[in-house]
Amino acid sequence: DQQVKQNSPSLSVQEGRISILNCDYTNSMFDYFLWYKKYPAEGPTFLISISSIKDKNEDGRFTVFLNKSAKHLSLHIVPSQPGDSAVYFCAASGGVDSNYQLIWGAGTKLIIKP
Amino acid sequence: DAGVTQSPTHLIKTRGQQVTLRCSPKSGHDTVSWYQQALGQGPQFIFQYYEEEERQRGNFPDRFSGHQFPNYSSELNVNALLLGDSALYLCASSLTPGYETQYFGPGTRLLVL
Repeated sequence: DQQVKQNSPSLSVQEGRISILNCDYTNSMFDYFLWYKKYPAEGPTFLISISSIKDKNEDGRFTVFLNKSAKHLSLHIVPSQPGDSAVYFCAASGGVDSNYQLIWGAGTKLIIKP
Repeated sequence: DAGVTQSPTHLIKTRGQQVTLRCSPKSGHDTVSWYQQALGQGPQFIFQYYEEEERQRGNFPDRFSGHQFPNYSSELNVNALLLGDSALYLCASSLTPGYETQYFGPGTRLLVL
């Protein structure tokens, strides 16, 4: 039972345009969400997070949107740059009730075309 | 400031053997978590160590065990290796057990033949 789903295995975007990566979850107890970026031969790198009390969090070119009613979050990257090409993982936590354990999606490979 | 380090980077073992993977957390972090990442999947939580004790455990058999040392470094041991144990093993550290933001090492790629 996949509690966190990233339904697009890959996404190709032109450099300079907006990249939108999507993530859906099924567990309504999740209250904290994170995005990680992973380059080949490296571990995941924390990118941005959002608490369930917010619907938007912004950090430079990266913005995460949370729609609790739809159990959906998205990561927007504007403008997309070649160095953004990586695999992006969405992760969710149920807080203290789940011992802060992270549940991960399968990832979306983002390819930025020059 | 050293980040999370893991050793070895790659390892080849045969079925039935035992393996030990090592991890040093980021400076200032006292909590270490281990994940298994199979090809094309997200990381799966194995267990977490804090104060030299296993605090949480994911859905992994007892063949997977670990240890945390007084300097916060950690080991993951897998006994009686199966072909299905072939994966990337990631170590992550965090400030406390209740801090969701984790910092990952580069991982150890294990191949079981």
